[in-house]
Amino acid sequence: EVQLVESGGGLVQPGGSLRLSCAASGFTFSSYWMSWVRQAPGKGLEWVANIKQDGSEKYYVDSVKGRFTISRDNAKNSLYLQMNSLRAEDTAVYYCARHTKSVHYFDYWGQGTLVTVSS
Amino acid sequence: EIVLTQSPATLSLSPGERATLSCRASQSVSSYLAWYQQKPGQAPRLLIYDASNRATGIPARFSGSGSGTDFTLTISSLEPEDFAVYYCQQRSNWPTFGQGTKLEIK
Repeated sequence: EVQLVESGGGLVQPGGSLRLSCAASGFTFSSYWMSWVRQAPGKGLEWVANIKQDGSEKYYVDSVKGRFTISRDNAKNSLYLQMNSLRAEDTAVYYCARHTKSVHYFDYWGQGTLVTVSS
Repeated sequence: EIVLTQSPATLSLSPGERATLSCRASQSVSSYLAWYQQKPGQAPRLLIYDASNRATGIPARFSGSGSGTDFTLTISSLEPEDFAVYYCQQRSNWPTFGQGTKLEIK
């Protein structure tokens, strides 16, 4: 059974940093693109970043470029999101999502971890 | 950036009725469009990919159509569990989602 379990969320002050983790199991992690997708309270879905199977390609939504870094450790079946210079508008539930085998759709999602940026 | 616009924002229907949800792209995405369902407190679920292909385990009452810039998700006969928020998404190295359509019980 495919499982994605996020951790690392919490309350952080504006300008602070946080590192999210996603532990994957039930599939060959190193064979899939992975993404982080977020959802602000009461709002829609926003893709944040994705990373190729071997980490050689990474893409970001403009609003997080230069502040967030996506990475992965295939030996540990884990995905990460390092978030720096956090802003109030980064407050959201952050989901880890697996891409479908062929293209950039998302077929499995974690339960999400809440990040709150507030003083 | 490809902008996806969904309509209507809210759709009020009764169980057994047919639901038609729309998604319009700001430029052609060919057939590279997906639909997701999200219920309160849950992660989204992939329903349709490549505009018209049902994902694994998705009931046949869900169907998708369209290409280019105009797409439709149809639920042929609404079941109580279908009332949720639906999002469309285009696939590229920079995926984007529509703002969602809330399907509520009338």
